[in-house]
Amino acid sequence: GENVEQHPSTLSVQEGDSAVIKCTYSDSASNYFPWYKQELGKRPQLIIDIRSNVGEKKDQRIAVTLNKTAKHFSLHITETQPEDSAVYFCAASRRNSGYSTLTFGKGTMLLVSP
Amino acid sequence: SQTIHQWPATLVQPVGSPLSLECTVEGTSNPNLYWYRQAAGRGLQLLFYSVGIGQISSEVPQNLSASRPQDRQFILSSKKLLLSDSGFYLCAWSGSSNEQYFGPGTRLTVT
Repeated sequence: GENVEQHPSTLSVQEGDSAVIKCTYSDSASNYFPWYKQELGKRPQLIIDIRSNVGEKKDQRIAVTLNKTAKHFSLHITETQPEDSAVYFCAASRRNSGYSTLTFGKGTMLLVSP
Repeated sequence: SQTIHQWPATLVQPVGSPLSLECTVEGTSNPNLYWYRQAAGRGLQLLFYSVGIGQISSEVPQNLSASRPQDRQFILSSKKLLLSDSGFYLCAWSGSSNEQYFGPGTRLTVT
């Protein structure tokens, strides 16, 4: 089955700096890669995703890149703010007949200091 | 728009007691439904998923079970809880695309 590795497990940055979280996956058939943000005690929220037919996607201060050959994808957050502090999860999936299951990384705790 | 509900929000149960958690989705039909568990400070573990009424697939062996009696209702159950069943239980849904959206979760403490 799919295996997703996520690094680092903890990332501390100063407000205004950039943050990068990296994930690798094992199943070459995976074609969908979402990122979730989970604040303490809350549900994970989908913040950005990328499909295998594109290499990069951007939404304001966040961007995701995908390298299918190397089987890795990354989340980039620019101009970090204290409210970006949360646990971030990457995931990978492939679409089966009518459904897909996500395999999650173990998460990265991002701490943004004012 | 679609909305996903879970209840109860929190639950404290003794070891050996039964469990029933409910999840319902509004604003969509024929959703794919998922149950995840998140242990304290850990990642998300897929427990069950369902592509239709009465269709349940289990990802890991355990003393939990799931049922889908209606199109937009997903229930997680146990006959006898273990201490290791404590955690944050999240229901999620997806439609025709891959995006999964999570419910607010149920925090279960087994004492």
